[in-house]
Amino acid sequence: AQSVAQPEDQVNVAEGNPLTVKCTYSVSGNPYLFWYVQYPNRGLQFLLKYITGDNLVKGSYGFEAEFNKSQTSFHLKKPSALVSDSALYFCAVRDETGFQKLVFGTGTRLLVSP
Amino acid sequence: DAGVIQSPRHEVTEMGQEVTLRCKPISGHNSLFWYRQTMMRGLELLIYFNNNVPIDDSGMPEDRFSAKMPNASFSTLKIQPSEPRDSAVYFCASSSGGGRNEKLFFGSGTQLSVL
Repeated sequence: AQSVAQPEDQVNVAEGNPLTVKCTYSVSGNPYLFWYVQYPNRGLQFLLKYITGDNLVKGSYGFEAEFNKSQTSFHLKKPSALVSDSALYFCAVRDETGFQKLVFGTGTRLLVSP
Repeated sequence: DAGVIQSPRHEVTEMGQEVTLRCKPISGHNSLFWYRQTMMRGLELLIYFNNNVPIDDSGMPEDRFSAKMPNASFSTLKIQPSEPRDSAVYFCASSSGGGRNEKLFFGSGTQLSVL
């Protein structure tokens, strides 16, 4: 069965600094990997996904993620954080046969200070 | 498009009562998902439908939970009888397909409190 680990409950970063939110995964075969963001009292919003192709995936709001097969990681990054990026971030994975059946991580809270 | 619409936004009920949560997916989307979010267990997939047919309900916790999708524009999640441990935020999500277009669109959720 597939699984996702987000090792950090919270990440703190100052505005303007680069940010990284970590994610590692376990899946049989080729992974389908996703990042979603959740703002308070809202549903999750899609940020980006990796299915195949370039290991560096660009998404919404200036976020990007790097797929690393050897390290089974899919870390979310942004070169310069904004206070408005403060939210809860979820990594998710499924295998090739999962029919959109995603397994989500426990989430990482990102706090960007002014 | 108004996005995925869920109702009610908040539901407070007493243990033993029946609870019905409603969801209207985005028009044209053929897949619908019900998730539950709690602090302890995170985000769990309860059930999902494709073309109105339940595909996988292995995440439904007990027989007290049931879900229906009578047509492409409406789905319900029912809990009968409700228990305090059912308190959570329930999300509905829809999707137009897999592959390169694959992504879930989530509603704003129903905050359920069972007293």
